[in-house]
Amino acid sequence: DTAVSQTPKYLVTQMGNDKSIKCEQNLGHDTMYWYKQDSKKFLKIMFSYNNKELIINETVPNRFSPKSPDKAHLNLHINSLELGDSAVYFCASSPQNTYGNTEAFFGQGTRLTVV
Amino acid sequence: AQSVTQLDSQVPVFEEAPVELRCNYSSSVSVYLFWYVQYPNQGLQLLLKYLSGSTLVKGINGFEAEFNKSQTSFHLRKPSVHISDTAEYFCAVRDNYGQNFVFGPGTRLSVLP
Repeated sequence: DTAVSQTPKYLVTQMGNDKSIKCEQNLGHDTMYWYKQDSKKFLKIMFSYNNKELIINETVPNRFSPKSPDKAHLNLHINSLELGDSAVYFCASSPQNTYGNTEAFFGQGTRLTVV
Repeated sequence: AQSVTQLDSQVPVFEEAPVELRCNYSSSVSVYLFWYVQYPNQGLQLLLKYLSGSTLVKGINGFEAEFNKSQTSFHLRKPSVHISDTAEYFCAVRDNYGQNFVFGPGTRLSVLP
């Protein structure tokens, strides 16, 4: 059973299109994240949700909109795709812990290529 | 806010040689420290973590790391590497109260035959 699963694994699309990436975790975690990994492998937090509520919203273009229908799902919708959006997007989850002493579990990533 | 530095972007090493990957962090509060490994075209997998207690922590695949509070470091070591250890390694921090994980820029470990 995959703990954190993302779909699709690969996504090739044209500039200007709108696309969504789905993420589901079956670990019972309260917190979910979206990270962007650029071509230099640098990982940057985009969003974090805790029990369906947005708690971290880094400086990300408002073309990116996360949606959490329930605490097991966190989807990422991207409008008007641009070439610079090409990257690998990772979903992750972790248990909510006031003291932060738990690790994050990552999905396999979605490689988005905008042409 | 926290930040993480991994000074070595690439580390080539011969098979069966020892390796150390360096990680330094800065934070105004106590943090928890993690090392993750990313194999090609895969997600991140936890190698080990430091929460409290003994400063030497052991992880999977023969890796270990030592937390040094005075030097704000958390270097990763392995006494003898294998070809299969070739991957990208990320150091990360998380503070006591935050939900966010801040990652370093990664170190590419290449094990040569």
